[in-house]
Amino acid sequence: ELKVEQNPLFLSMQEGKNYTIYCNYSTTSDRLYWYRQDPGKSLESLFVLLSNGAVKQEGRLMASLDTKARLSTLHITAAVHDLSATYFCAVLSYNTNAGKSTFGDGTTLTVKP
Amino acid sequence: KAGVTQTPRYLIKTRGQQVTLSCSPISGHRSVSWYQQTPGQGLQFLFEYFSETQRNKGNFPGRFSGRQFSNSRSEMNVSTLELGDSALYLCASSSTPLGSGGADTQYFGPGTRLTVL
Repeated sequence: ELKVEQNPLFLSMQEGKNYTIYCNYSTTSDRLYWYRQDPGKSLESLFVLLSNGAVKQEGRLMASLDTKARLSTLHITAAVHDLSATYFCAVLSYNTNAGKSTFGDGTTLTVKP
Repeated sequence: KAGVTQTPRYLIKTRGQQVTLSCSPISGHRSVSWYQQTPGQGLQFLFEYFSETQRNKGNFPGRFSGRQFSNSRSEMNVSTLELGDSALYLCASSSTPLGSGGADTQYFGPGTRLTVL
Protein backbone atom coordinates (compact mmCIF):
# COMPACT_ATOMS: atom_id res chain seq x y z
CA GLU A 1 0.00 0.00 0.00
CA LEU A 2 1.37 3.38 -1.00
CA LYS A 3 2.20 5.70 1.91
CA VAL A 4 2.91 9.39 1.53
CA GLU A 5 4.63 11.35 4.29
CA GLN A 6 4.97 15.08 4.40
CA ASN A 7 7.16 17.02 6.75
CA PRO A 8 6.96 19.21 8.53
CA LEU A 9 3.24 19.11 9.28
CA PHE A 10 3.29 22.63 10.67
CA LEU A 11 5.60 25.42 9.64
CA SER A 12 5.77 28.95 10.95
CA MET A 13 7.98 31.28 8.95
CA GLN A 14 8.98 34.88 8.98
CA GLU A 15 8.30 36.89 5.85
CA GLY A 16 11.28 36.99 3.57
CA LYS A 17 12.69 33.63 4.67
CA ASN A 18 13.17 30.48 2.61
CA TYR A 19 12.02 27.00 3.51
CA THR A 20 11.37 23.56 2.02
CA ILE A 21 8.51 21.12 2.48
CA TYR A 22 9.32 17.46 1.89
CA CYS A 23 7.11 14.73 0.48
CA ASN A 24 8.33 11.13 0.72
CA TYR A 25 6.47 8.16 -0.70
CA SER A 26 6.86 4.44 -0.28
CA THR A 27 6.46 2.85 -3.72
CA THR A 28 7.47 3.65 -7.24
CA SER A 29 5.55 6.40 -8.97
CA ASP A 30 6.37 8.76 -11.79
CA ARG A 31 3.70 11.35 -11.11
CA LEU A 32 3.26 13.70 -8.21
CA TYR A 33 0.94 16.61 -7.56
CA TRP A 34 1.11 19.61 -5.24
CA TYR A 35 -2.02 21.40 -4.06
CA ARG A 36 -2.82 24.39 -1.92
CA GLN A 37 -5.81 24.70 0.38
CA ASP A 38 -6.85 27.90 2.13
CA PRO A 39 -8.85 27.58 5.36
CA GLY A 40 -12.44 26.58 4.66
CA LYS A 41 -11.80 26.41 0.94
CA SER A 42 -11.27 23.76 -1.71
CA LEU A 43 -8.03 22.58 -3.27
CA GLU A 44 -6.09 24.49 -5.89
CA SER A 45 -3.70 22.63 -8.15
CA LEU A 46 -0.17 24.04 -8.04
CA PHE A 47 2.08 21.62 -9.91
CA VAL A 48 2.00 18.32 -11.73
CA LEU A 49 5.44 16.66 -11.82
CA LEU A 50 5.64 14.00 -14.51
CA SER A 51 9.12 12.54 -14.47
CA ASN A 52 12.35 12.11 -12.58
CA GLY A 53 14.19 15.40 -12.29
CA ALA A 54 11.12 17.47 -13.12
CA VAL A 55 11.25 20.99 -11.74
CA LYS A 56 8.45 23.51 -11.94
CA GLN A 57 8.28 27.06 -10.63
CA GLU A 58 5.47 29.51 -10.14
CA GLY A 59 6.23 32.75 -8.38
CA ARG A 60 7.86 32.05 -5.02
CA LEU A 61 7.15 28.30 -5.17
CA MET A 62 9.34 25.71 -6.83
CA ALA A 63 8.63 21.99 -6.86
CA SER A 64 10.93 19.14 -7.83
CA LEU A 65 10.69 15.38 -8.13
CA ASP A 66 13.32 12.69 -7.57
CA THR A 67 11.67 9.38 -8.40
CA LYS A 68 14.74 7.36 -7.45
CA ALA A 69 14.74 8.79 -3.93
CA ARG A 70 10.91 8.78 -3.90
CA LEU A 71 11.03 12.40 -2.80
CA SER A 72 9.48 15.65 -3.88
CA THR A 73 10.21 19.05 -2.45
CA LEU A 74 8.27 22.29 -2.45
CA HIS A 75 10.64 25.19 -1.92
CA ILE A 76 9.38 28.55 -0.77
CA THR A 77 11.50 31.57 -1.55
CA ALA A 78 11.19 34.87 0.33
CA ALA A 79 7.88 33.94 1.90
CA VAL A 80 5.02 36.43 2.00
CA HIS A 81 1.85 36.37 4.09
CA ASP A 82 -0.29 35.40 1.09
CA LEU A 83 1.45 32.01 0.99
CA SER A 84 -0.10 31.05 4.32
CA ALA A 85 -2.17 27.92 3.55
CA THR A 86 -2.04 24.14 3.82
CA TYR A 87 -0.01 22.40 1.13
CA PHE A 88 -0.64 18.81 0.11
CA CYS A 89 1.35 16.49 -2.06
CA ALA A 90 -0.35 13.55 -3.74
CA VAL A 91 1.25 10.58 -5.45
CA LEU A 92 -0.31 8.61 -8.25
CA SER A 93 -0.45 4.84 -8.14
CA TYR A 94 -1.96 2.53 -10.70
CA ASN A 95 -4.48 -0.26 -10.53
CA THR A 96 -5.11 -1.99 -13.86
CA ASN A 97 -3.86 1.08 -15.73
CA ALA A 98 -6.18 3.44 -13.89
CA GLY A 99 -4.55 5.97 -11.60
CA LYS A 100 -5.56 6.97 -8.11
CA SER A 101 -4.07 9.59 -5.84
CA THR A 102 -2.77 9.10 -2.32
CA PHE A 103 -2.36 12.30 -0.34
CA GLY A 104 0.05 13.33 2.35
CA ASP A 105 -1.29 14.76 5.59
CA GLY A 106 -0.59 18.32 4.50
CA THR A 107 1.79 21.02 5.72
CA THR A 108 0.14 24.03 7.33
CA LEU A 109 2.25 27.06 6.59
CA THR A 110 1.91 30.29 8.53
CA VAL A 111 3.93 33.26 7.35
CA LYS A 112 4.33 35.97 9.96
CA PRO A 113 5.29 39.57 9.27
CA LYS B 1 -15.05 29.27 -18.51
CA ALA B 2 -17.20 28.24 -15.55
CA GLY B 3 -15.48 26.23 -12.87
CA VAL B 4 -16.46 22.98 -11.24
CA THR B 5 -19.75 23.24 -9.40
CA GLN B 6 -21.03 21.04 -6.62
CA THR B 7 -24.48 20.87 -5.12
CA PRO B 8 -25.59 21.11 -2.47
CA ARG B 9 -22.89 23.02 -0.61
CA TYR B 10 -24.08 21.97 2.82
CA LEU B 11 -26.14 19.02 3.91
CA ILE B 12 -27.31 17.67 7.24
CA LYS B 13 -28.53 14.09 7.45
CA THR B 14 -29.19 11.56 10.18
CA ARG B 15 -27.68 8.12 10.58
CA GLY B 16 -29.19 5.51 8.33
CA GLN B 17 -30.31 7.95 5.66
CA GLN B 18 -28.83 8.12 2.21
CA VAL B 19 -27.49 11.11 0.33
CA THR B 20 -26.71 12.05 -3.26
CA LEU B 21 -24.16 14.69 -4.14
CA SER B 22 -23.78 16.24 -7.56
CA CYS B 23 -20.78 17.55 -9.48
CA SER B 24 -20.72 19.40 -12.78
CA PRO B 25 -17.26 19.48 -14.34
CA ILE B 26 -15.66 22.22 -16.38
CA SER B 27 -17.08 22.22 -19.89
CA GLY B 28 -15.17 19.75 -22.04
CA HIS B 29 -13.72 17.82 -19.12
CA ARG B 30 -14.65 14.15 -19.16
CA SER B 31 -12.86 12.96 -16.04
CA VAL B 32 -14.45 13.47 -12.64
CA SER B 33 -12.83 12.30 -9.42
CA TRP B 34 -14.32 12.34 -5.94
CA TYR B 35 -12.47 12.80 -2.65
CA GLN B 36 -13.39 12.72 1.01
CA GLN B 37 -11.68 15.08 3.44
CA THR B 38 -11.94 14.59 7.21
CA PRO B 39 -9.78 15.88 10.07
CA GLY B 40 -8.94 12.33 11.12
CA GLN B 41 -8.30 10.58 7.81
CA GLY B 42 -7.24 13.53 5.69
CA LEU B 43 -7.86 13.54 1.97
CA GLN B 44 -8.84 10.20 0.49
CA PHE B 45 -9.59 9.20 -3.08
CA LEU B 46 -13.08 7.78 -3.58
CA PHE B 47 -13.35 7.07 -7.30
CA GLU B 48 -12.79 8.43 -10.77
CA TYR B 49 -15.17 8.40 -13.71
CA PHE B 50 -14.26 8.95 -17.30
CA SER B 51 -16.71 8.71 -20.18
CA GLU B 52 -19.37 7.24 -17.90
CA THR B 53 -17.08 4.44 -16.69
CA GLN B 54 -15.59 4.05 -13.25
CA ARG B 55 -11.86 3.74 -13.78
CA ASN B 56 -10.67 3.28 -10.24
CA LYS B 57 -11.97 3.17 -6.71
CA GLY B 58 -10.42 3.92 -3.34
CA ASN B 59 -10.71 1.85 -0.17
CA PHE B 60 -14.26 2.68 0.77
CA PRO B 61 -17.15 0.34 1.55
CA GLY B 62 -19.81 -0.45 -0.99
CA ARG B 63 -22.12 2.13 0.62
CA PHE B 64 -20.21 4.67 -1.44
CA SER B 65 -21.12 4.60 -5.09
CA GLY B 66 -21.14 6.93 -8.02
CA ARG B 67 -22.04 7.38 -11.61
CA GLN B 68 -21.39 9.66 -14.50
CA PHE B 69 -23.81 10.82 -17.13
CA SER B 70 -23.29 11.35 -20.83
CA ASN B 71 -22.81 15.10 -20.25
CA SER B 72 -19.96 14.25 -17.82
CA ARG B 73 -21.90 15.38 -14.76
CA SER B 74 -21.33 13.00 -11.89
CA GLU B 75 -23.17 11.99 -8.78
CA MET B 76 -22.00 10.14 -5.72
CA ASN B 77 -24.31 8.34 -3.37
CA VAL B 78 -23.76 7.26 0.19
CA SER B 79 -26.29 4.86 1.63
CA THR B 80 -26.95 4.00 5.28
CA LEU B 81 -25.06 7.02 6.55
CA GLU B 82 -22.79 6.68 9.55
CA LEU B 83 -21.45 9.39 11.84
CA GLY B 84 -18.00 8.85 10.36
CA ASP B 85 -19.25 9.87 6.92
CA SER B 86 -19.35 13.49 8.07
CA ALA B 87 -16.82 15.15 5.83
CA LEU B 88 -16.10 17.61 3.06
CA TYR B 89 -16.66 15.85 -0.26
CA LEU B 90 -14.70 17.30 -3.11
CA CYS B 91 -14.98 16.59 -6.77
CA ALA B 92 -12.38 17.47 -9.34
CA SER B 93 -12.47 17.47 -13.10
CA SER B 94 -9.74 17.16 -15.68
CA SER B 95 -9.61 16.86 -19.44
CA THR B 96 -7.74 13.57 -19.31
CA PRO B 97 -7.98 10.62 -16.93
CA LEU B 98 -5.69 10.41 -13.91
CA GLY B 99 -2.35 9.02 -14.93
CA SER B 100 -2.90 9.37 -18.65
CA GLY B 101 -0.10 10.60 -20.86
CA GLY B 102 -0.63 14.32 -20.45
CA ALA B 103 -0.57 16.72 -17.54
CA ASP B 104 -3.82 15.70 -15.86
CA THR B 105 -4.29 18.88 -13.87
CA GLN B 106 -7.34 18.60 -11.68
CA TYR B 107 -9.68 21.49 -10.99
CA PHE B 108 -11.59 21.20 -7.77
CA GLY B 109 -15.10 22.27 -6.92
CA PRO B 110 -15.96 24.11 -3.69
CA GLY B 111 -17.05 20.91 -1.99
CA THR B 112 -20.14 19.65 -0.23
CA ARG B 113 -19.95 19.63 3.54
CA LEU B 114 -21.97 16.69 4.84
CA THR B 115 -22.87 16.46 8.51
CA VAL B 116 -24.36 13.23 9.81
CA LEU B 117 -26.19 13.46 13.14
